[in-house]
Amino acid sequence: DQQVKQNSPSLSVQEGRISILNCDYTNSMFDYFLWYKKYPAEGPTFLISISSIKDKNEDGRFTVFLNKSAKHLSLHIVPSQPGDSAVYFCAANGGSQGNLIFGKGTKLSVKP
Amino acid sequence: NAGVTQTPKFRILKIGQSMTLQCTQDMNHNYMYWYRQDPGMGLKLIYYSVGAGITDKGEVPNGYNVSRSTTEDFPLRLELAAPSQTSVYFCASSYADRFYGYTFGSGTRLTVV
Repeated sequence: DQQVKQNSPSLSVQEGRISILNCDYTNSMFDYFLWYKKYPAEGPTFLISISSIKDKNEDGRFTVFLNKSAKHLSLHIVPSQPGDSAVYFCAANGGSQGNLIFGKGTKLSVKP
Repeated sequence: NAGVTQTPKFRILKIGQSMTLQCTQDMNHNYMYWYRQDPGMGLKLIYYSVGAGITDKGEVPNGYNVSRSTTEDFPLRLELAAPSQTSVYFCASSYADRFYGYTFGSGTRLTVV
C-alpha cells in the first residue's frame, strides 16, 4: 500500500508561471518530508525539505508547504524555467532507521 | 568530489546469471542504501546499511544480497537473475538518518533477458 502518493504523473506549465506539485501521505508518524529532482539518466538530487513542525520552507524559487491535518504537501516553483523540466519525487522518512519512502514521481515539463 | 559512484552504468544479463553492482562513496557517510526504480514507479528500498558490518533488509530484498566491509563500499549482489529484476538501480548515502538528504549515484540500468 502506497504511503506516499503523487497522483499526477505529469504536469505541463508555461515558462514564467507557477508550478505546483502535490503529494499526499497516509502515515501521520512521518515527521520529515523531502523533494528530489531527477533528470534522465541521472540519479535524484535533493531539492528541499520540511520538518513536520513547520508549515512552510522556502529556498529561492522553491517553496514547500505542509498541511498536516490534510496529510498533504506541495512544492511550488516560481517562476518556472525550462531547466526545471524533470521528474520530481516526494519522499518521507518512514523506515525504522529513517530510510526514505518515495512517491512515484511527477514529470514536470516547462515550455518556453 | 566524486560523491557516490556506481558501476557499471548499463548491463544485460541472461536469466540465471549473477552479477555485482558496485557502489562507492567518498563522503565518509555512515548510511548507505540500495533502491530500485521500475518504470512509472517510485524508488523502492532493497537493502540499507547504517555502518560498516551492519546491513538490513528493505522493502524488496528477495533475490539480492549486500555486504558492507568498509565505510566506502556497499556492493549489491544479484544471484540467479530473473526478468523481474530488470530495473534501474540507485545507490545512495547519507551522513545520518532522516534529517539529511541522500546523495544518489547516477544509477545502473539492468536488463535481464
